[in-house]
Amino acid sequence: AQKVTQAQTEISVVEKEDVTLDCVYETRDTTYYLFWYKQPPSGELVFLIRRNSFDEQNEISGRYSWNFQKSTSSFNFTITASQVVDSAVYFCALSGAGNKLVFGAGTILRVKS
Amino acid sequence: DTAVSQTPKYLVTQMGNDKSIKCEQNLGHDTMYWYKQDSKKFLKIMFSYNNKELIINETVPNRFSPKSPDKAHLNLHINSLELGDSAVYFCASSQSPRRGPQNIQYFGAGTRLSVL
Repeated sequence: AQKVTQAQTEISVVEKEDVTLDCVYETRDTTYYLFWYKQPPSGELVFLIRRNSFDEQNEISGRYSWNFQKSTSSFNFTITASQVVDSAVYFCALSGAGNKLVFGAGTILRVKS
Repeated sequence: DTAVSQTPKYLVTQMGNDKSIKCEQNLGHDTMYWYKQDSKKFLKIMFSYNNKELIINETVPNRFSPKSPDKAHLNLHINSLELGDSAVYFCASSQSPRRGPQNIQYFGAGTRLSVL
């Protein structure tokens, strides 16, 4: 069975702080994909990034960066210099051989000014 | 132009009623999904259709019936609504998962269902 664990239920930071959201996954598939989605207070789900199991290169997109480590089955997400607009629920998700997207429980990020 | 659109955005109804939520996508995808997000924000897949064929059917009460008239539409009909059905329902679409698990799912804005 596939499982995604986001151990941090809620994180509060002050603007301009860096914050890392943790994601640990379990799967027996050799080919799988990892995703991060953002759910802002308005409620929609916004795709942020996709990573495949064969590509462990870290990725940076503006203030966002992702660290994929197969050895620890982790796919962590860091926001540098956080802003109030980053306040949202962030979901990590996994898709494997069954082609079903399995979500973690989400981490609520609150960025205060 | 909204890629995945759901209607209505809010739905308030009484227990025992029957209601439908509509979903349409204009991304040219051939696979569509329904997810339920409970009050604790947990997201779980309910159904998936590929080219009008049901390919994922999780353990969902048979009061929930998806209907796909064509690959751009996937509607969700719920019979005999119960209090526990209150949740946010999300529609999503992607390229065919038959090509592998890599496809990005794009989500609609959600429908908040409140059963009184």
